[in-house]
Amino acid sequence: RKEVEQDPGPFNVPEGATVAFNCTYSNSASQSFFWYRQDCRKEPKLLMSVYSSGNEDGRFTAQLNRASQYISLLIRDSKLSDSATYLCVVNSMDSSYKLIFGSGTRLLVRP
Amino acid sequence: DAMVIQNPRYQVTQFGKPVTLSCSQTLNHNVMYWYQQKSSQAPKLLFHYYDKDFNNEADTPDNFQSRRPNTSFCFLDIRSPGLGDAAMYLCATSAPGTGTRNSYEQYFGPGTRLTVT
Repeated sequence: RKEVEQDPGPFNVPEGATVAFNCTYSNSASQSFFWYRQDCRKEPKLLMSVYSSGNEDGRFTAQLNRASQYISLLIRDSKLSDSATYLCVVNSMDSSYKLIFGSGTRLLVRP
Repeated sequence: DAMVIQNPRYQVTQFGKPVTLSCSQTLNHNVMYWYQQKSSQAPKLLFHYYDKDFNNEADTPDNFQSRRPNTSFCFLDIRSPGLGDAAMYLCATSAPGTGTRNSYEQYFGPGTRLTVT
């Protein structure tokens, strides 16, 4: 089983749609969770950290379910500029500061 | 602005010809990482430096080496590149244990895209 698993997509949605991504992780002791965004042929960029209480940043909401070991990202009112790959990231089993990246979920927002 | 810089952005090398990629940072972070990312795959950690301590991943080939002469700079050396080493190489930094809530976040440079001919 992979340490971090994501649906690769692509999710193809119209502008203005709400879209949700889920991610599961295998290490129940993980403490750090993130969503990164990666544009084609560019570096990953931190979108948001994910906290136990859930957190929101504008149109983006992240949730953590420790009991089921999954993380979600909700994007409301999708923009064309949201088209990218979204990487779910969890800290490694052998170190709190090493991160394990999922393969990413690709989002395409169409006009 | 504080940042992570990688040079060159694009590197073409010949099969078997040694190549060095460089990374520098102005964030003053104590941990620096090197990742390899191939198309449609997750970034794969090759190794990292925690201060001066080098930490190699178990599955990183011996062909890959790294140097960190000071806090700001880190180098990735590929001794004998093969066709399978063509990829994007990403450098990242973090400052774990600094006491802030976000201290485990990693910040990436723009990457070096390596082509092996």
